[in-house]
Amino acid sequence: NAGVTQTPKFRILKIGQSMTLQCTQDMNHNYMYWYRQDPGMGLKLIYYSVGAGITDKGEVPNGYNVSRSTTEDFPLRLELAAPSQTSVYFCASASAETQYFGPGTRLLVL
Amino acid sequence: DAKTTQPPSMDCAEGRAANLPCNHSTISGNEYVYWYRQIHSQGPQYIIHGLKNNETNEMASLIITEDRKSSTLILPHATLRDTAVYYCIVRSMIYNQGGKLIFGQGTELSVKP
Repeated sequence: NAGVTQTPKFRILKIGQSMTLQCTQDMNHNYMYWYRQDPGMGLKLIYYSVGAGITDKGEVPNGYNVSRSTTEDFPLRLELAAPSQTSVYFCASASAETQYFGPGTRLLVL
Repeated sequence: DAKTTQPPSMDCAEGRAANLPCNHSTISGNEYVYWYRQIHSQGPQYIIHGLKNNETNEMASLIITEDRKSSTLILPHATLRDTAVYYCIVRSMIYNQGGKLIFGQGTELSVKP
């Protein structure tokens, strides 16, 4: 099992550009999540999904979109990148009991 | 979701037990107490969780008070590799609430030689 994988590991974007952060899990988990972590802060929930075709907003959803067409994949879309979106992004998936986190994507918006 | 309160930082001598407290006075009956840690800039790592009974695994022990309003994570023999930020989180297990973890600021544990 690879667990939760995220691509890319690091990306630099210009203001106004768009990109998709990829997240894949091979544990057949229904629950998946996207978090962001700003320097020196805790993780903030952006969006989550309880199963394919179902998504919902978390604490900080503005500026992001998600889709969940399969159980395995949960991509996060940034449409118009802004400097405030500079952060480390973590994807996670969960069984009924435990969340497993990916290694993160470091995003810099200049 | 219930909020948690943790001290911002703690020190512990290598080889000694590290006791990390957490207050969750508004926890409800269907919410579990979870502990995660984050080493440097890695993804958070699951440690342990419990509902009302004390729990132990190969990493740590979790002591939950009888009224469930507070808990303590115990690392029995802390090593330098246990230096990390430790998060205490209250998690609802109701399906349509998504089982999401809401992170606070955590406790930065420094294990010193």
